[in-house]
Amino acid sequence: QVQVVESGGGVVQRGGSLRLSCAASGFRFPRNGMHWVRQAPGKGMEWITLIREGGTQRYYADSVKGRFTISIDNSRTTLYLQMNSLRDEDTAVYYCAKDFNWGFDSWGQGTLVTVSS
Amino acid sequence: QSALTQPPSASGSPGQAITISCTGTTSDVGGYNYVSWYQHHPGKAPKLMIYEVTQRPSGVPDRFSGSKSGNTASLTVSGLQAEDEADYFCSSYAGSRYWVFGGGTKLTVL
Repeated sequence: QVQVVESGGGVVQRGGSLRLSCAASGFRFPRNGMHWVRQAPGKGMEWITLIREGGTQRYYADSVKGRFTISIDNSRTTLYLQMNSLRDEDTAVYYCAKDFNWGFDSWGQGTLVTVSS
Repeated sequence: QSALTQPPSASGSPGQAITISCTGTTSDVGGYNYVSWYQHHPGKAPKLMIYEVTQRPSGVPDRFSGSKSGNTASLTVSGLQAEDEADYFCSSYAGSRYWVFGGGTKLTVL
């Protein structure tokens, strides 16, 4: 069964760092990419980053560019999101999802990141 | 404020049909046939229901259908069932490897 499980969320101080993981089972990450998407409390989803072509291409939303880094392991079964210089507005549930025909498939249940002052 | 506009709520009785709208601009919904719809039961993983405006992934009932006119995409759920009660949100490709989402619509089955 194709599924992903996110982990690594927690409470972190403003300005701190956190690394999220997304483990795939039943498939290897497709070459057309894997995304991270987040949902802040009471808000809609926000796309934040995409990695594709085995990690050679990476794209970021302006809100996280220069602070967040997406990567994958060599086996293409674990996706990471390194988050630095965290801000209050980064508080959200973070989801990974597979790119599927310019949409998002095989979402996980998400992992909650809370930035505390 | 989400980039795509959805009504916050919708409701219908079992067996009825409801339509949820998703309004964007010529830079996203109107510019690409890459609108997707998702069903999200709180605390669970969102599920892709429609992609490329009208396409259903395998396993999604044909009671779910999608369409688009200009800058507005729509999701129609026919023959409402109790298990359809969930949050529904849309996404659209917006060019330059960037995606936007709607704020979500809470569907209540009366």
